Amino acid sequence: GESVGLHLPTLSVQEGDNSIINCAYSNSASDYFIWYKQESGKGPQFIIDIRSNMDKRQGQRVTVLLNKTVKHLSLQIAATQPGDSAVYFCAEMANTGFQKLVFGTGTRLLVSP
Amino acid sequence: NAGVTQTPKFQVLKTGQSMTLQCAQDMNHEYMSWYRQDPGMGLRLIHYSVGAGITDQGEVPNGYNVSRSTTEDFPLRLLSAAPSQTSVYFCASSIGQGAETEAFFGQGTRLTVV
Repeated sequence: GESVGLHLPTLSVQEGDNSIINCAYSNSASDYFIWYKQESGKGPQFIIDIRSNMDKRQGQRVTVLLNKTVKHLSLQIAATQPGDSAVYFCAEMANTGFQKLVFGTGTRLLVSP
Repeated sequence: NAGVTQTPKFQVLKTGQSMTLQCAQDMNHEYMSWYRQDPGMGLRLIHYSVGAGITDQGEVPNGYNVSRSTTEDFPLRLLSAAPSQTSVYFCASSIGQGAETEAFFGQGTRLTVV
C-alpha cells in the first residue's frame, strides 16, 4: 500500500455517521480552496472547491465550510460510507494558478461497517 | 477516454541511474504538472507546463528535467537518481491553470532508489 499515509492523523467513524475533516491553511492571501480524496494506490481526486467570497458550499453528501478569520477549512461528509475511506487533504491557492497550489498533508478517514 | 496515464506504476533504480517517467493525457489539456508525494508532506510541485513547448520549474525541480513536445505527453526525467528521490510521483492535467478548472491526476508511479 501507499507509504504516504504512515504519519497522518486518522479519523475513525461508523458507517452512517457524519464526518468532519479539518484543515488549517497558511496564507491569508489564499482565495481558492480545494478538497481532494485519495484512495490507496490512486491519485488525488477532486471533491469540492470554494472561493474565499463564500463561507459554505454544498455538493452531493459533502459540504465545505470556510472561516477566513481563523484560516480554517472543513469538509463535512454526510452519512459516511465504507467507500469514503481514504486520505483527504485540502489545497489553497492565491489566484496565481495551479503552480502556486499548496497542499496540506491530509487526514485518513476510516469508516467501519 | 483514458484520462491521465502514468507508466510505469512501480520502479526500482540504483543510485546514479537515469530513467523517464511517462505521462500522457487524452483530454487535450493545456496545463500539465508533476508532483512528488512523501510521507508527512503535502504534494510538492516539481515542474509544470502551460502548453506544448513551454515548461517551468516548480517548488522542487532539482534533479529532474521535463519537456513538452506535444500537448498529450509530459515526461519527467531523472538524470542521476538519488535515494532522496524515492517517492510517489503524480502527473496531473487540466484545461487551464486557474481556479475552478479541475485537475485530473494519474494513478502515480512509486519510485524506490537504492
